[in-house]
Amino acid sequence: QTVVTQEPSFSVSPGGTVTLTCGLSSGSVSTSHYPSWYQQTPGQAPRTLVYSTNSRPSGVPDRFSGSVLGNKAALTITGAQADDESDYYCVLYMGSGNYVFGTGTKVTVL
Amino acid sequence: QVQLQESGPGLVKPSEALSLTCSVSGGSIGNFYWSWIRQPPGKGLEWIGYIYYNGNTHYNPSLKSRVTMSVDTSKNHFSLKLSSVTAADTAVYYCARFGRYYLDLWGRGTLVIVSS
Repeated sequence: QTVVTQEPSFSVSPGGTVTLTCGLSSGSVSTSHYPSWYQQTPGQAPRTLVYSTNSRPSGVPDRFSGSVLGNKAALTITGAQADDESDYYCVLYMGSGNYVFGTGTKVTVL
Repeated sequence: QVQLQESGPGLVKPSEALSLTCSVSGGSIGNFYWSWIRQPPGKGLEWIGYIYYNGNTHYNPSLKSRVTMSVDTSKNHFSLKLSSVTAADTAVYYCARFGRYYLDLWGRGTLVIVSS
């Protein structure tokens, strides 16, 4: 079964920029995987940040942006804030109605 | 404002079935797909499956043999049944609304512990 891989952890300074990636154990990610991104703080339900590669639901700040970079989906946080310290998960559509969560990235702001 | 709320037993015995319901308030369950996701303590998220308001379902292949989802449009809720549970099924279970290729609205989650 294909594994959706993410960096285990990232550290970013307040005000800094960080790019998280979402790849496949076999093959390349494209817009046809409709990548979406979710933020989860401890003890809370996930929150949708980005869908269909680069679209944001209303209410999500524009400092969160999605893209495809090379063979991976990417989530960039620009101007990181203390409350961005969370776990971030991507989801990819694998075809035939199947979706897979990525392994998750823990972001620390310090 | 549409809200989702999971409910069900917080403790299930091994080999028995886990049953949860997600109540949808502030909007109709119609014309949407609805999903279940789970997260074992300290681990990542896992997609269990989803159901359309007309009852059509799609399950994670790794759980398909044990999962049954149903929907009751008259009560505006949908349900999950996971059979033959083991300790590995201990997790926070989330229900969510499924937008076009993404999850756009989440419940707060409910912890289910499998233990004798």
